[in-house]
Amino acid sequence: DAGVTQSPTHLIKTRGQQVTLRCSPKSGHDTVSWYQQALGQGPQFIFQYYEEEERQRGNFPDRFSGHQFPNYSSELNVNALLLGDSALYLCASSYRGLSYEQYFGPGTRLTVT
Amino acid sequence: GENVEQHPSTLSVQEGDSAVIKCTYSDSASNYFPWYKQELGKRPQLIIDIRSNVGEKKDQRIAVTLNKTAKHFSLHITETQPEDSAVYFCAASRVTGGGNKLTFGTGTQLKVEL
Repeated sequence: DAGVTQSPTHLIKTRGQQVTLRCSPKSGHDTVSWYQQALGQGPQFIFQYYEEEERQRGNFPDRFSGHQFPNYSSELNVNALLLGDSALYLCASSYRGLSYEQYFGPGTRLTVT
Repeated sequence: GENVEQHPSTLSVQEGDSAVIKCTYSDSASNYFPWYKQELGKRPQLIIDIRSNVGEKKDQRIAVTLNKTAKHFSLHITETQPEDSAVYFCAASRVTGGGNKLTFGTGTQLKVEL
């Protein structure tokens, strides 16, 4: 049974560029949440997708957008990258109907230069 | 919105001793409180959680207590071992039909010394 997977593992981008990160949820899960974790800090909620719609959003600008596909996988897109966007981006999956637990993927380390 | 405070930021204990990490939350409607362990360079791992209708939950050497009146919850680790060394995060959430947004504390670096 595969857990939450994310790609790519690492990414280096230049300020102003755009990036797309990908996440596949744990088998049986239908909800995907994205978090940003800066070095030495706790994860911060970006948004959550269920039934291919954004259900909740944290305090992140519109440069951060997402998508969920019919197979429950998800993408996080960040436009006009800033140096401050450098962080570990974590995806978490859950099953909305039965449990509250969220299980994290290994993350994508994004470096903006 | 929800705000979660966590302390201490660092905690050093001798192997075999107990460790306690405390968190407070601001939103009285929060009803779910998980704890995550994150080793260096790895994903946060869910180690235990508690819902607002329960005051205490235990799983082997770890336990969590919740005081809804005071809006605080704590993680207790007994008989600590070197492999318990990691960063621990508490989180709070108001789980509704609209979703489950976790608000995290700032983390506690636990070091278990031989």
